[in-house]
Amino acid sequence: DIQMTQSPSSLSASVGDRVTITCRASQSISRYLNWYQQKAGKAPNLLIYEASSLQSGVPSRFSGSGSGTDFTLTITTLQPEDFATYYCQQSFSTPLTFGQGTRLEIK
Amino acid sequence: QVQLQESGPGLVKPSETLSLTCTVSGGSVSRGPSHWTWIRQPPGKGLEYIGYIYYSGSTNYNPSLKSRVTISADTSKNQFSLKLRSVTAADTAVYFCARGRYDSGTYYADYWGQGTLVTVSS
Repeated sequence: DIQMTQSPSSLSASVGDRVTITCRASQSISRYLNWYQQKAGKAPNLLIYEASSLQSGVPSRFSGSGSGTDFTLTITTLQPEDFATYYCQQSFSTPLTFGQGTRLEIK
Repeated sequence: QVQLQESGPGLVKPSETLSLTCTVSGGSVSRGPSHWTWIRQPPGKGLEYIGYIYYSGSTNYNPSLKSRVTISADTSKNQFSLKLRSVTAADTAVYFCARGRYDSGTYYADYWGQGTLVTVSS
């Protein structure tokens, strides 16, 4: 199985900040990397697919980049509704695997 | 707009079979290119892929669960189901159904059910 490692595991930031979350794969996954946002008690919500494609309806302050083994999710100008947990997920091979999550908290 | 809704018992005894159904609206389990997927999340933990079924009936399972899992579809009811046999407390989790898509080789889950908590306990 491909292991996905996110960093940091938790992050404190303020409204208006720019934040970056990193996801590293245990082997090259090309650009087969997705990002999800999950709020407490809710289902995950797809933000970014294929490393950098913004899902329809997702605000443009979210962006993704990377290829191979290293990927980033960037949120510019944090909004109050962005405080949540973020997961990366690889689809290069099955079983599909997720990172352990990054919890974004209000400072 | 695809909508999914999980249903099934919230409490299952150890060694028994967990059975959940996902009812789909706004999409069809009998037409591609959707991959109808189950994912679970133990309380306070991360997400784990269980498996999916394609409209053709082909399935893909996580090897860690493959010996205990069956995913099937009922096209007449536009539903797909999960059966997980011989459950233990480690199977306690929120179970999500989702619509997955393969697009240019990449899979992503773009519609999700709200999730249902299944507790394994005697």
